[in-house]
Amino acid sequence: AQSVTQLDSQVPVFEEAPVELRCNYSSSVSVYLFWYVQYPNQGLQLLLKYLSGSTLVKGINGFEAEFNKSQTSFHLRKPSVHISDTAEYFCAVTDTGGFKTIFGAGTRLFVKA
Amino acid sequence: EAGVAQSPRYKIIEKRQSVAFWCNPISGHATLYWYQQILGQGPKLLIQFQNNGVVDDSQLPKDRFSAERLKGVDSTLKIQPAKLEDSAVYLCASSYGSGYQETQYFGPGTRLLVL
Repeated sequence: AQSVTQLDSQVPVFEEAPVELRCNYSSSVSVYLFWYVQYPNQGLQLLLKYLSGSTLVKGINGFEAEFNKSQTSFHLRKPSVHISDTAEYFCAVTDTGGFKTIFGAGTRLFVKA
Repeated sequence: EAGVAQSPRYKIIEKRQSVAFWCNPISGHATLYWYQQILGQGPKLLIQFQNNGVVDDSQLPKDRFSAERLKGVDSTLKIQPAKLEDSAVYLCASSYGSGYQETQYFGPGTRLLVL
């Protein structure tokens, strides 16, 4: 079975600063990896996903993530954040064999003016 | 394109009462998911439907939770009787296909408080 660890529960950052939200996973087989964002009082929305191929994945709203198989990580990055990026971010993993999708506990990004 | 619809948005009940949640997925989406999201945690899959058949209900507390998806479209999730620990946001999601690489589209959720 796989698992997901989001290493930071909260990340405060100033507007226009870069940010990295960390995600590590464990699995004995190949995986698909996802980042979802949840704005206040809304459902989750897909930011990006890694299925195969290039390890650098670009998503919506200027976010990108890099799959590192040796370190079993899928960290999310944005070079310059906006106030509107304040939300909760969830990393998720599922194995290619068809096991259910497992979500991390989430990282709350708080962008300050 | 209309998104995933859920109702009600909020519900407050007393323990041992029953409650039902409704979900209307995106038109044409074959797969429907119900998740439970407890405060401070990520969503946990309760049940997954492919059309109107159950694909995975291994984490559904079947002594009190039930779900159905009639005609492969709308779905209802019921809790009877509710316990205090059932207080959570219940999220419905849908996807076009059944593969685990599929993007899931989430509704706004139903926030349940059990007193």
